[in-house]
Amino acid sequence: NAGVTQTPKFRVLKTGQSMTLLCAQDMNHEYMYWYRQDPGMGLRLIHYSVGEGTTAKGEVPDGYNVSRLKKQNFLLGLESAAPSQTSVYFCASSLLGRYTEAFFGQGTRLTVV
Amino acid sequence: AQKVTQAQTEISVVEKEDVTLDCVYETRDTTYYLFWYKQPPSGELVFLIRRNSFDEQNEISGRYSWNFQKSTSSFNFTITASQVVDSAVYFCALSEANTGANSKLTFGKGITLSVRP
Repeated sequence: NAGVTQTPKFRVLKTGQSMTLLCAQDMNHEYMYWYRQDPGMGLRLIHYSVGEGTTAKGEVPDGYNVSRLKKQNFLLGLESAAPSQTSVYFCASSLLGRYTEAFFGQGTRLTVV
Repeated sequence: AQKVTQAQTEISVVEKEDVTLDCVYETRDTTYYLFWYKQPPSGELVFLIRRNSFDEQNEISGRYSWNFQKSTSSFNFTITASQVVDSAVYFCALSEANTGANSKLTFGKGITLSVRP
């Protein structure tokens, strides 16, 4: 049982480049989330989805876009990467949203130079 | 708006000492959920416990215990007889129930616990 899988695990981008982070979960969870983790800042919610075809903004959505075309996948896109987006990105999913615990992927370490 | 404060940023203890990690939360809702997660040096986030706002009973799981007090809006985590393997970053998180589609989990900034042999 893979749980939540993030691809890639590491990436270095040049300023202005674009990329997509893929999150896949095999637990049939409705809710999926993208967080970023920065030193001293904890985890901050970027975007989330309460079901297939839905997305919503979190705390720090600027510079990111997301899509949830399939229930098991949640994609995070950076259209024009900036050094401020250097961070560790975590995807998570939960069965019933706020009522249940979230399961996290292994994280993606992104560096924008 | 919901908020989680973990005032302690780093704690260092010697193995076998007891240690308490503090968590204070703010919410306008009467129904909410509190969580603790552990992030070991390997980086993944591991769920430890969930508590709903109607259940103020303390929880004990082996060397771990949690003290939930609504009167002080706190959900503190104690590790008894700490071990080196407890070294990690610990996050407290809050999820409000009455937010409709806004089903987000708000995290504190985390406490880095170092347990020295």
